[in-house]
Amino acid sequence: DGGITQSPKYLFRKEGQNVTLSCEQNLNHDAMYWYRQDPGQGLRLIYYSQIVNDFQKGDIAEGYSVSREKKESFPLTVTSAQKNPTAFYLCASSGTPSYGYTFGSGTRLTVV
Amino acid sequence: GENVEQHPSTLSVQEGDSAVIKCTYSDSASNYFPWYKQELGKGPQLIIDIRSNVGEKKDQRIAVTLNKTAKHFSLHITETQPEDSAVYFCAASKGGMDSSYKLIFGSGTRLLVRP
Repeated sequence: DGGITQSPKYLFRKEGQNVTLSCEQNLNHDAMYWYRQDPGQGLRLIYYSQIVNDFQKGDIAEGYSVSREKKESFPLTVTSAQKNPTAFYLCASSGTPSYGYTFGSGTRLTVV
Repeated sequence: GENVEQHPSTLSVQEGDSAVIKCTYSDSASNYFPWYKQELGKGPQLIIDIRSNVGEKKDQRIAVTLNKTAKHFSLHITETQPEDSAVYFCAASKGGMDSSYKLIFGSGTRLLVRP
């Protein structure tokens, strides 16, 4: 079945560490997105990519980095510069303009 | 930039009653309006969408209406059931070939259906 897979489901980070969240899709979608969701809050765009080897900052890109070396993959690195990284992270993809997003099941990141 | 406002932020209804969630968008060039349902601890799932050339779309107990003149669209859930309890997000996009096809999301509505 086609879909979008995020891993791990739960991730714990120590202070000062960088961690990478994985996002893989087999939907042949061109565009991919990363969102952050805090408890009881909406979706805030971190980064997005419309094509391989190209990506743009969203509304809250500081302290995060991404890469898009393959169409299927769009990993997100939460760097030590992100002072409050505890949140639920959602990856999404879309096939063509005007089409809705397909979301992954999310990664819950906690700083310990 | 484009903005999508969503109301109410929380909604509590009795099982069997109807629920209505409303969204207003700012960019008149928007032409695609999806609705997502997010259950606790999960990613949002597309439940229904509508394009600007249609005024209403229905799928069993859910329906979406669009008023382009007023720039607002609404989600209607009839005969609500406890499993409808979730957070619902509206969104809008312009459907262009550039970054304008990014979805702009509303802030979400937490729906509680009381048994």
